[in-house]
Amino acid sequence: SAVISQKPSRDICQRGTSLTIQCQVDSQVTMMFWYRQQPGQSLTLIATANQGSEATYESGFVIDKFPISRPNLTFSTLTVSNMSPEDSSIYLCSGTSGSQETQYFGPGTRLLVL
Amino acid sequence: LAKTTQPISMDSYEGQEVNITCSHNNIATNDYITWYQQFPSQGPRFIIQGYKTKVTNEVASLFIPADRKSSTLSLPRVSLSDTAVYYCLVGALKAAGNKLTFGGGTRVLVKP
Repeated sequence: SAVISQKPSRDICQRGTSLTIQCQVDSQVTMMFWYRQQPGQSLTLIATANQGSEATYESGFVIDKFPISRPNLTFSTLTVSNMSPEDSSIYLCSGTSGSQETQYFGPGTRLLVL
Repeated sequence: LAKTTQPISMDSYEGQEVNITCSHNNIATNDYITWYQQFPSQGPRFIIQGYKTKVTNEVASLFIPADRKSSTLSLPRVSLSDTAVYYCLVGALKAAGNKLTFGGGTRVLVKP
């Protein structure tokens, strides 16, 4: 299994600003993903973070709003750009290792936009 | 894209078996079925995964019928610490586009 940490754990931001969330894995993972989870709701996949290339975004999510980087096999960032109150949510990253279909999740970043 | 449906909530008592069924009528050939447990203010934690038939590990069993259009997570002899939200995930990580669909989650409350 992989242990995943996220920074910050929570933040309160003003509308119109941007926040970058960091995801660090304690071992190399094959794939990394970013999810959004509204309080009390299920998880929605934002994008797959691809190492050394542009992320693959799901329907409804675009690179200009959620730029993602993955410079190596253990680290990724998600930026929430030009934030509005509707971006208030929990953002989680996950990773998989080897050939497994199992994802390991970080603890999440709780974002509140005022 | 596989749409997954789960019961919203379920109550049980300590020592009982809890069975949660997830419906995924349009599951794709390459899709796996994975169940996660989530406690408040934490990320989801892997419980069990299967493709077909039955899978058992030290914490749960997963039953998948031949048509794979549903799956049932079975938690034997639950304790108070099993109170959590349980999510069914259907998809294939390596499939094009990574069509990963989480169910709405089932809130399980274990009572003393």
